[in-house]
Amino acid sequence: KAGVTQTPRYLIKTRGQQVTLSCSPISGHRSVSWYQQTPGQGLQFLFEYFSETQRNKGNFPGRFSGRQFSNSRSEMNVSTLELGDSALYLCASSFLAGQDYGEAFFGQGTRLTVV
Amino acid sequence: GQQVMQIPQYQHVQEGEDFTTYCNSSTTLSNIQWYKQRPGGHPVFLIQLVKSGEVKKQKRLTFQFGEAKKNSSLHITATQTTDVGTYFCAGKPTSGTYKYIFGTGTRLKVLA
Repeated sequence: KAGVTQTPRYLIKTRGQQVTLSCSPISGHRSVSWYQQTPGQGLQFLFEYFSETQRNKGNFPGRFSGRQFSNSRSEMNVSTLELGDSALYLCASSFLAGQDYGEAFFGQGTRLTVV
Repeated sequence: GQQVMQIPQYQHVQEGEDFTTYCNSSTTLSNIQWYKQRPGGHPVFLIQLVKSGEVKKQKRLTFQFGEAKKNSSLHITATQTTDVGTYFCAGKPTSGTYKYIFGTGTRLKVLA
């Protein structure tokens, strides 16, 4: 079956702009988590959605938000972009919420560059 | 806050040598997962450990979960160039959160 699909793959934005990233999970998976990956900070958890509800949230400012639709597809939005938001944003889907007993399947990521 | 540290941060080995990365959590974990990320790629699930003292093997890879469920290790025997990448552990604390906390990662380079 198809894997996790993230769009777009690459994005260049200017400081102050806002951006929306999309993630389509594996069919049947209802949990979607978002991570920010940077060389210096590693993989940082942003938030997790399950059945359209945010179940967990990481320590990121309110400029980072997300949502999940009834078909489990998820979007994350970053408003008022800062240079430090440049990173690879990874989405992971899993069958169970919180990845209790299952693996997370990661998408290829969206490489965001803020100039 | 809850943290998961990995050591070493980087490791260069000669092909054929062994490699070990260690994962240490500040809190007790209910389970731990390991992922591998190839250069330019995304993390790929390797294994999950749940029981205290559990040891699992995948060909040349051996995974251990500590007795206290606060640490874990990944050992690769006779490394190959295909083992190149960053290895992450991800632990789920027993309390306080449902989310997994990823370790800082160990980047492995294998010299042919």
